[in-house]
Amino acid sequence: QITLKESNPTLVKPTQTLTLTCTFSGFSLTTSGVGVAWIRQPPGEALEWLAVIYWNDDKRYSPSLKSRLTITKDTSKNQVVLTLTNVDPVDTATYFCAHTDSRWYGAHDYWGQGTLVTVSS
Amino acid sequence: QSALTQPASVSGSPGQSITISCIRTSRNIGGSNYVSWYQQHPGEAPKLIIYEVNNRPSGVSNRFSGSKSGNTASLTISGLQAEDEADYYCSSYSSGTTLVVFGGGTKLTVL
Repeated sequence: QITLKESNPTLVKPTQTLTLTCTFSGFSLTTSGVGVAWIRQPPGEALEWLAVIYWNDDKRYSPSLKSRLTITKDTSKNQVVLTLTNVDPVDTATYFCAHTDSRWYGAHDYWGQGTLVTVSS
Repeated sequence: QSALTQPASVSGSPGQSITISCIRTSRNIGGSNYVSWYQQHPGEAPKLIIYEVNNRPSGVSNRFSGSKSGNTASLTISGLQAEDEADYYCSSYSSGTTLVVFGGGTKLTVL
């Protein structure tokens, strides 16, 4: 049974760095093909894909946010961490992590419940 | 602005069929068979309902089907049920860049 859970909701101030942790179970990020992605959704708006990290440490980022995003993994803890620097109120959103596999070509089959991040002074 | 354009809303009556389009505006979606569709109910995480254009994950109703023609991918829901009322998102994966993009989403109302 695959499950993913994002870290608790958080309030961050503009210009600060946001750090989110995805803790998962039911799969390993050492298994060939496996990846974990981050997707966000501003209130009332559409989904926005942010980044993915694969079992082999291959990392991909959304071009529009690439300069501000970093994704890393800790396979011993079954965790993936996303950092977003220099946050702005427009970064207020629910952030989801999701399981993917390179054989699924971009499809995300298991999702966490999401965590609300609010950027406000 | 998303590279994938979806209608903002569609509606249908119980038992009817509806189709949601997903038009790739920046690149020919016909070059990719890697289109996925997600269903999202309010306050919930998205659920994968179609991958690789027309494949359903285990457990997804066969009332959901996908197709693609040229730059346009489509999701068809047949035999509409009240529980189908939700937001639907398409996504496309580029094998060249291995990046994913989502459409703007479509709100389905079951009348």
